[in-house]
Amino acid sequence: DAGVIQSPRHEVTEMGQEVTLRCKPISGHNSLFWYRQTMMRGLELLIYFNNNVPIDDSGMPEDRFSAKMPNASFSTLKIQPSEPRDSAVYFCASTISGANVLTFGAGSRLTVL
Amino acid sequence: DQQVKQNSPSLSVQEGRISILNCDYTNSMFDYFLWYKKYPAEGPTFLISISSIKDKNEDGRFTVFLNKSAKHLSLHIVPSQPGDSAVYFCAAKPMSNDMRFGAGTRLTVKP
Repeated sequence: DAGVIQSPRHEVTEMGQEVTLRCKPISGHNSLFWYRQTMMRGLELLIYFNNNVPIDDSGMPEDRFSAKMPNASFSTLKIQPSEPRDSAVYFCASTISGANVLTFGAGSRLTVL
Repeated sequence: DQQVKQNSPSLSVQEGRISILNCDYTNSMFDYFLWYKKYPAEGPTFLISISSIKDKNEDGRFTVFLNKSAKHLSLHIVPSQPGDSAVYFCAAKPMSNDMRFGAGTRLTVKP
């Protein structure tokens, strides 16, 4: 079991550039979550999908953020254009719908200069 | 809107003593509560959980207590070990999937 796989692990970019973060959930898991970790707010839920369908995106900060899940084994979180305040660690997690425990990836650390 | 709150950003204890991490929540629809542990450069990993129908769950050195009337839960680690040094996140979820996390508490266990 390879776990939840995220890429890139680190991304440094300049303000205004587009950033795409990727996630491969655990095979067989049908719920996928994107979280953002900041010092002030801890782990914030951005969006989650059930069976590739976005269920709740109320945590997405603004229109600059978008997330897709084109199939059961892949999801992207895109920021366009990026801003310095988007600097954070972004985590992807997956589970079986209805289960109580999420499995997290190792995270993608984003730095926007 | 922080529905799950961990008001202590850090805690330092001596090896062998008890560590108590606290968490408060506001949403009465939460019916399952969890603690996750996070080491640097890794994702959070599940530690222990408790259903709202219970008030205590124990797993080895780790015990979680739930006080529903106060909307408060705590994690006790006894005895604390240096390897327990990490950031601990409290989490809560309703019947649906959207799990909410607190801001985390950094625990340092000194040898």
